Amino acid sequence: AQKVTQAQTEISVVEKEDVTLDCVYETRDTTYYLFWYKQPPSGELVFLIRRNSFDEQNEISGRYSWNFQKSTSSFNFTITASQVVDSAVYFCALSESKGGANNLFFGTGTRLTVIP
Amino acid sequence: NAGVMQNPRHLVRRRGQEARLRCSPVKGHSHVYWYRQLPEEGLKFMVYLQKENIIDESGMPKERFSAEFPKEGPSILRIQQVVRGDSAAYFCASSLRDSRLTEQFFGPGTRLTVL
Repeated sequence: AQKVTQAQTEISVVEKEDVTLDCVYETRDTTYYLFWYKQPPSGELVFLIRRNSFDEQNEISGRYSWNFQKSTSSFNFTITASQVVDSAVYFCALSESKGGANNLFFGTGTRLTVIP
Repeated sequence: NAGVMQNPRHLVRRRGQEARLRCSPVKGHSHVYWYRQLPEEGLKFMVYLQKENIIDESGMPKERFSAEFPKEGPSILRIQQVVRGDSAAYFCASSLRDSRLTEQFFGPGTRLTVL
């Protein structure tokens, strides 16, 4: 079973629109971490946020905000007033704490295109 | 203040050749992870190493792939007798401690193309 599901494969928005990228995860751990990464066309991975399972406070960083809902196992990412530079593939990821493994389970990514 | 370095950035090999991918973690980081990203897919965990030890290789193919992180020098991901299906981007990440406590810093990736 997929541990991280990003149902939106591709999204296109016009510049200045708000956009929300969905992420649903699955785990039996009570302690886990959730991440968002950005992969611009250049290919590198840019860390955006890490959230632990005990902290359900929503977070805002500039135009970015994250909504963590444990009840629905979701960790959605919203970009406000999108810009062309936001065009990238965005990955949601889950890190479990069981068994000593320290790997991230990535979703398949959402490709965001912001049209000028 | 260098981040994770990977080289080469692009590597072309013919079927049957060997590919060696190098990763220098952030200075002071002793935890290294390798991931593979197939075209149009997310990253998939391959192996987690600490200095001189393989901690978790549950994501490594059973044959042809190996990884090491020696006491001195970079971590190496080695692919023997490459096949076309090995064409992918290979990312290395490092962390200062157990990655549950701190995020992994990713390198720029090595894009392997097998002809």
